[in-house]
Amino acid sequence: EPEVTQTPSHQVTQMGQEVILRCVPISNHLYFYWYRQILGQKVEFLVSFYNNEISEKSEIFDDQFSVERPDGSNFTLKIRSTKLEDSAMYFCASRATSPGRNNSPLHFGNGTRLTVT
Amino acid sequence: AQSVTQLDSQVPVFEEAPVELRCNYSSSVSVYLFWYVQYPNQGLQLLLKYLSGSTLVESINGFEAEFNKSQTSFHLRKPSVHISDTAEYFCAVVPSGGYQKVTFGIGTKLQVIP
Repeated sequence: EPEVTQTPSHQVTQMGQEVILRCVPISNHLYFYWYRQILGQKVEFLVSFYNNEISEKSEIFDDQFSVERPDGSNFTLKIRSTKLEDSAMYFCASRATSPGRNNSPLHFGNGTRLTVT
Repeated sequence: AQSVTQLDSQVPVFEEAPVELRCNYSSSVSVYLFWYVQYPNQGLQLLLKYLSGSTLVESINGFEAEFNKSQTSFHLRKPSVHISDTAEYFCAVVPSGGYQKVTFGIGTKLQVIP
């Protein structure tokens, strides 16, 4: 069964550094998402991406965050200047759906654990 | 906006005993409902979903959930749990129209005791 893959599985970075989290969504999917889960807290929506642009973003997704689909397969999340509170598990997800229908489930990757020191 | 409430943060249960994980949601529009499972050190996996039709939905590993519109609930049940069911379970909702995001509950940790 096709999978969403994320790399790296664990990244440690110093505060103030830039990080790029990488994801390869399922190939025929149209919608891409980033979620994060701070330890012990709920899974939070960050951003959704469709047709090469952001379709929705949460208040967490401020100017320090950006997403990009640099080619036909990768979907990246960049944090420009990391803060301690960015430490979390970051999940990429993709979904296949046709316009006007919202019933396709999200398929998640295994996540990247980001530790900011 | 939608919200999901999972009242139990942790549920310990003995092996082969039944379990129910509770989920209530709030929405002003009709929704689709999902349960996701997260095994230790893994990502989120879809367990089952309710889109329409029969209000009782089942997964391949013996879990079932029942959509109750009047009580706005989507509780997850299993009649006899195994050690391998130890995981965190997330209830999620999405509006049935449009392209909106999935909203997750805070999760319930199911710990199966041998």
